[in-house]
Amino acid sequence: DTGVSQDPRHKITKRGQNVTFRCDPISEHNRLYWYRQTLGQGPEFLTYFQNEAQLEKSRLLSDRFSAERPKGSFSTLEIQRTEQGDSAMYLCASSVSRGEAFFGQGTRLTVV
Amino acid sequence: KNEVEQSPQNLTAQEGEFITINCSYSVGISALHWLQQHPGGGIVSLFMLSSGKKKHGRLIATINIQEKHSSLHITASHPRDSAVYICAVRSRSNYQLIWGAGTKLIIKP
Repeated sequence: DTGVSQDPRHKITKRGQNVTFRCDPISEHNRLYWYRQTLGQGPEFLTYFQNEAQLEKSRLLSDRFSAERPKGSFSTLEIQRTEQGDSAMYLCASSVSRGEAFFGQGTRLTVV
Repeated sequence: KNEVEQSPQNLTAQEGEFITINCSYSVGISALHWLQQHPGGGIVSLFMLSSGKKKHGRLIATINIQEKHSSLHITASHPRDSAVYICAVRSRSNYQLIWGAGTKLIIKP
């Protein structure tokens, strides 16, 4: 499978714990996006990388959220001190410049 | 007013019916995407359009840049087409996708 893969698919964590998600984009894609989607809503943009550079970050991304793409390949999204409001589907997408975005299956986070 | 508006929000139809979902946007765009999301599943890209019309199987997508409007059509609809269909535009001014709220489609057998 050469599509975008995300790990884990599901994560249940206790409030206050830290969680980290991983996204492996399609190998030749230089752009990588993170989105968050809550139940019944459309995806919300979180952050965007071009190669290893984080070029844009939504104001939705509080100080508890951090994303990295250290070698311009895979990316990680970390949430520190999780809150119940962080429960959502976290989606990763990748593309070539100005190309079609391809999405992963998402990581569903439940904070209890 | 949202920058991307979809209609209808919900659509229920019988198997075999011709389906149309509409998307209007108010910003300058470099491309428009139609995406499909099944319950609990990830998002699948159906089309990326910057002009004209594209067809893939029973799916047809059109865009009118002057009118800032796009439509997604499904011919001979089938229960497996039941999903949320999302219109998203890529703004010319930044790299973000601006998302519509989605159209929840249910096709009854």
